[in-house]
Amino acid sequence: DTGVSQDPRHKITKRGQNVTFRCDPISEHNRLYWYRQTLGQGPEFLTYFQNEAQLEKSRLLSDRFSAERPKGSFSTLEIQRTEQGDSAMYLCASSPGLGGEQFFGPGTRLTVL
Amino acid sequence: AQSVAQPEDQVNVAEGNPLTVKCTYSVSGNPYLFWYVQYPNRGLQFLLKYITGDNLVKGSYGFEAEFNKSQTSFHLKKPSALVSDSALYFCAVRTTNQAGTALIFGKGTTLSVSS
Repeated sequence: DTGVSQDPRHKITKRGQNVTFRCDPISEHNRLYWYRQTLGQGPEFLTYFQNEAQLEKSRLLSDRFSAERPKGSFSTLEIQRTEQGDSAMYLCASSPGLGGEQFFGPGTRLTVL
Repeated sequence: AQSVAQPEDQVNVAEGNPLTVKCTYSVSGNPYLFWYVQYPNRGLQFLLKYITGDNLVKGSYGFEAEFNKSQTSFHLKKPSALVSDSALYFCAVRTTNQAGTALIFGKGTTLSVSS
């Protein structure tokens, strides 16, 4: 399967701990996106990469959140000092071009206790 | 501000009947419009998109959507619903300008198809 993959699929952590998620996009896609989805809501945009450059960040992305895409391939999203409000599904998507549809991974479900 | 509204939290239809899931949008400039479907414990799957051209767009699994610029709507339709169509459906929009690369999603509509 050459779709978008995310790891881990589930993460349970205690408040105050740091967590890191990984996303592997479709190989020929140079654009990569992170979204957050909470229960009963649609996905909300967090950040966007074109190749290795982080071009856009939502105001939802607080200082505790950092994302990287060091070689323009996979990406990581780190949350420091997790809070219970960070509990959500974190979705990664990739696309081949500005007008194209985004292809989503299965998501990482984060639960902060 | 750009936004997407899905006025119905849930739509119930009987198998074999036509279905419509409603979506309206508000953007500055020309919109790119999308429909995605989400099954339990799975990521969003792309159904169809409107970029330009014919207002009636056909997509995966027999779904289609009609773009109506005057009503700023992009309703999802299917002539004959299947039980397997039961899922959560999201409408999304993005604009054509460089800064508007992110998709803006509605809250979603749960479609329930009964046999």
